[in-house]
Amino acid sequence: AQSVTQPDIHITVSEGASLELRCNYSYGATPYLFWYVQSPGQGLQLLLKYFSGDTLVQGIKGFEAEFKRSQSSFNLRKPSVLWSDAAEYFCAVDLYDKIIFGKGTRLHILP
Amino acid sequence: GAVVSQHPSWVICKSGTSVKIECRSLDFQATTMFWYRQFPKQSLMLMATSNEGSKATYEQGVEKDKFLINHASLTLSTLTVTSAHPEDSSFYICSARVRTGFGGELFFGEGSRLTVL
Repeated sequence: AQSVTQPDIHITVSEGASLELRCNYSYGATPYLFWYVQSPGQGLQLLLKYFSGDTLVQGIKGFEAEFKRSQSSFNLRKPSVLWSDAAEYFCAVDLYDKIIFGKGTRLHILP
Repeated sequence: GAVVSQHPSWVICKSGTSVKIECRSLDFQATTMFWYRQFPKQSLMLMATSNEGSKATYEQGVEKDKFLINHASLTLSTLTVTSAHPEDSSFYICSARVRTGFGGELFFGEGSRLTVL
């Protein structure tokens, strides 16, 4: 069955440090993948998406993600996190008629 | 990006009453809207897919008679929680796709927090 797995429930990094949030997917064909961010009590905002082509995609707020077919992964990265990046991050896969989400990774930032 | 508006942002109701939540796409026509439920500190659980002019498609385990979804126009979908009980308290989020099919980006409403007393 198609699924999205985010292995880390919580991640804590220091402000200014680099960040990598993991995402693994299970899908039979070439997946369409998304990363969304959710601030507390808010809806979700799209950070970036991968459909095809270049496997390294750039998003908003300085985020990027790399699609690796061999590892079935689509990890989100940022070279230097800000205090304001503290939020919940969701990886998602497009199943054509709907989009399903991973369980999310909550990012905590240490000052 | 496209804007999806959800109303109300929060609502408190008594057990046994019904509550309606509206989801509007403000600057685009949404053939398909989705309703998610999110428990505290958990992921989004897809409840149903709402297609304009047709019956909603509910995910397994979601009670159709409890959560009534109507998609009367290309810009409006409503979720009605009927005979609400405290266990229905949750954060409900709607989203809309600009187009159906692969790659159609999802735009989300701000969410509605329902508290049933």
